Amino acid sequence: RKEVEQDPGPFNVPEGATVAFNCTYSNSASQSFFWYRQDCRKEPKLLMSVYSSGNEDGRFTAQLNRASQYISLLIRDSKLSDSATYLCVAQYSNYQLIWGAGTKLIIKP
Amino acid sequence: DVKVTQSSRYLVKRTGEKVFLECVQDMDHENMFWYRQDPGLGLRLIYFSYDVKMKEKGDIPEGYSVSREKKERFSLILESASTNQTSMYLCASLASNQPQHFGDGTRLSIL
Repeated sequence: RKEVEQDPGPFNVPEGATVAFNCTYSNSASQSFFWYRQDCRKEPKLLMSVYSSGNEDGRFTAQLNRASQYISLLIRDSKLSDSATYLCVAQYSNYQLIWGAGTKLIIKP
Repeated sequence: DVKVTQSSRYLVKRTGEKVFLECVQDMDHENMFWYRQDPGLGLRLIYFSYDVKMKEKGDIPEGYSVSREKKERFSLILESASTNQTSMYLCASLASNQPQHFGDGTRLSIL
């Protein structure tokens, strides 16, 4: 079983809709969690950290559920430019990071 | 702003060649990483380093070595390149309890 699992998608979503995807992790010792966005043929870029209390950055909301061991990303009012692959990562030390394989999101006009 | 620079965006080499991929960061980060990324497999850790001259194997170190002679520079070496090492290579660095930051990536093709 993979330590960090994501639905690979693709999620095909109309512009303006709300979309959410989850990422489950198996190591309960994980301390920090992040969402990254990766465009085709580019490097992953940090989208947002995920805090226990949940956090919001504009149209993006990230949440952590330690009891069920998953993190989520919600995108409201989706834009065409949100089309990308979204990667989650669980970090449990400065050099122990477990990456998910990513969820592909396609926003359609 | 965090800056991680990889020496080449695209590289084409031949089977059996020794290949060097260079990565430099300007944030004085202790920890540096080399990953490869292949379709459907996500990011796989090759090697990481938590200090100068220190290195640790990641999940897929076979066929690779690394060098960290200076804090800002972390080099990945393909001792004898093979076609199955054709991939996207990503360098990253991080400071304590902070997220990783990546370089632009190197698309390496081995012919």
